[in-house]
Amino acid sequence: QVQLVQSGAEVKKPGASVKVSCKASGYTFTSYDINWVRQATGQGLEWMGWMNPNSGNTGYAQKFQGRVTMTRNTSISTAYMELSSLRSEDTAVYYCARAEQYDSSGGAGFDFDYWGQGTLVTVSS
Amino acid sequence: DIQMTQSPSSLSASVGDRVTITCRASQSISSYLNWYQQKPGKAPKLLIYAASSLQSGVPSRFSGSGSGTDFTLTISSLQPEDFATYYCQQSYSSFTFGPGTKVDIK
Repeated sequence: QVQLVQSGAEVKKPGASVKVSCKASGYTFTSYDINWVRQATGQGLEWMGWMNPNSGNTGYAQKFQGRVTMTRNTSISTAYMELSSLRSEDTAVYYCARAEQYDSSGGAGFDFDYWGQGTLVTVSS
Repeated sequence: DIQMTQSPSSLSASVGDRVTITCRASQSISSYLNWYQQKPGKAPKLLIYAASSLQSGVPSRFSGSGSGTDFTLTISSLQPEDFATYYCQQSYSSFTFGPGTKVDIK
């Protein structure tokens, strides 16, 4: 069965960086994009960006441009999200999610059909 | 960027009620609209994709409709396990989530 298993909780100081991992199993890792979504406590879902595990191509939400880097290691079917220059507002649960492509209205759309369990990142001095 | 809004932001309902949640996009997104359910402390779960297609394993009491800018998620008969927060998401241009609708017990 498809699983995305994320690394454990992190506590970081302001200005530091954090790197969260997402290990995929149960499917061909290079066949589906991995997206990252975060959620501050009591808040909604915020999309951060995507990565194509086959090519390594990435696309980031404008808000995170210059601060986020998404990479992968195909030999161990693992995706990574690194966020730098952390501030208190970055305290949140970070999720990885697999993007599934579907055909609609003559074009292609995507949904997030499998999600990791989430990783709490706390930024505090 | 495409902005998504949802209404209501919260609602109280009883088991067996018919519940309708609305999602609106700031521009036409065709049918590139998904719905997710999230329970406290858990990852979101995909319910509906392409505006009206039911994800495998999701009960048939959930349905979606709409196209263009206006979309609806309907729960035909609310069950105890349906009390949760529901999010819409557009995939027409990158991805954007709506702010969520919390469904709680009346």
